[in-house]
Amino acid sequence: LAKTTQPISMDSYEGQEVNITCSHNNIATNDYITWYQQFPSQGPRFIIQGYKTKVTNEVASLFIPADRKSSTLSLPRVSLSDTAVYYCLVGDISNAGNNRKLIWGLGTSLAVNP
Amino acid sequence: DSGVTQTPKHLITATGQRVTLRCSPRSGDLSVYWYQQSLDQGLQFLIQYYNGEERAKGNILERFSAQQFPDLHSELNLSSLELGDSALYFCASSPRGQENYGYTFGSGTRLTVV
Repeated sequence: LAKTTQPISMDSYEGQEVNITCSHNNIATNDYITWYQQFPSQGPRFIIQGYKTKVTNEVASLFIPADRKSSTLSLPRVSLSDTAVYYCLVGDISNAGNNRKLIWGLGTSLAVNP
Repeated sequence: DSGVTQTPKHLITATGQRVTLRCSPRSGDLSVYWYQQSLDQGLQFLIQYYNGEERAKGNILERFSAQQFPDLHSELNLSSLELGDSALYFCASSPRGQENYGYTFGSGTRLTVV
């Protein structure tokens, strides 16, 4: 299982772009990279997922370099409501129902200030 | 509303007691995952069920057990409760047992053991 490393916390201001980088040096060939957002006392919410290069949706962008040993979640023009913990997960998707256990670290606590 | 329903939302019980947490997955999802999140801790994977069968086990204590019923709802049983079992317990579901589609989490059950 690929271990991930993220900054413990980050601070930003409303309207800024925030980039959170996750390191996963031992990522395997079949591993995808997924990011989740969690507000206090709520369950995590899926944000974005990718395998390589760049993925963009209405919420965020995910940049993955060619070696896939890291990834960067980019949140454009953050607002106060983006204050949350962001988790980077790396896992294998090859076989349906196989015994995979994604490892959730402590995530990155993002504080957006006015 | 994520579509994953967890009951009860809050539970306060004494040490040594037994409780049952219930989860109804999102419609169409076959996999159910249970997670424990203690104060200021990351999510700890406990167990996964896929279409009624246990599929993966994480750091689940022997005092804890779970099952998934034919209607796909799941129950997590916690017995001989200790103060350290106080935590948020989340249930998540995914379609066809593949995490690559993204987990959908419920809002959690906050368990307080006194």
